[in-house]
Amino acid sequence: NAGVTQTPKFQVLKTGQSMTLQCAQDMNHEYMSWYRQDPGMGLRLIHYSVGAGITDQGEVPNGYNVSRSTTEDFPLRLLSAAPSQTSVYFCASSSQSMDTEAFFGQGTRLTVV
Amino acid sequence: GDSVTQMEGPVTLSEEAFLTINCTYTATGYPSLFWYVQYPGEGLQLLLKATKADDKGSNKGFEATYRKETTSFHLEKGSVQVSDSAVYFCALKTHGSSNTGKLIFGQGTTLQVKP
Repeated sequence: NAGVTQTPKFQVLKTGQSMTLQCAQDMNHEYMSWYRQDPGMGLRLIHYSVGAGITDQGEVPNGYNVSRSTTEDFPLRLLSAAPSQTSVYFCASSSQSMDTEAFFGQGTRLTVV
Repeated sequence: GDSVTQMEGPVTLSEEAFLTINCTYTATGYPSLFWYVQYPGEGLQLLLKATKADDKGSNKGFEATYRKETTSFHLEKGSVQVSDSAVYFCALKTHGSSNTGKLIFGQGTTLQVKP
């Protein structure tokens, strides 16, 4: 059982470049989300989805785009990378039940130079 | 809005010391509460959870009790080990008219245990 798989693990981008962070889960979870983790700021929600075809903005959505064409996949797109987007990115999935936890991917460490 | 506040870190302890990491929350309704742990270079994994008032979550010697009256969910361990060195996150999941399954995190507390 793979759980939540994120790729790549590491990435260096130049300012202005675009890229897509991939996230896939095999647990048939309705809810998927993207967080960024910065020192001293915990995890901040970028975008989330409650099911295929439905996405919404989180706390820090600017500069990022998402889509959810299938239950399994939830890619995060950086449209024009900026140094402020240097961070560690985590994808998570969960069922919508109140009692169940979220499962996290291993993270993508992104550096924008 | 809903929020989680954790004690500032880093916390440095000697092996076999007692650990407490404070967590308080603000939420409408009755949230479910979680503690996650992040080991160096890894993603977050669930440590324990409690889904209603007075529930006690426990795992790997860690415990936390859901206290509705003080809106708290403090993490405790009686005797820490070097292998417990990690970042600990308190989080909540709220009921709502649109139950999205969204988790709200505290800022994380870094624990370093020295031999």
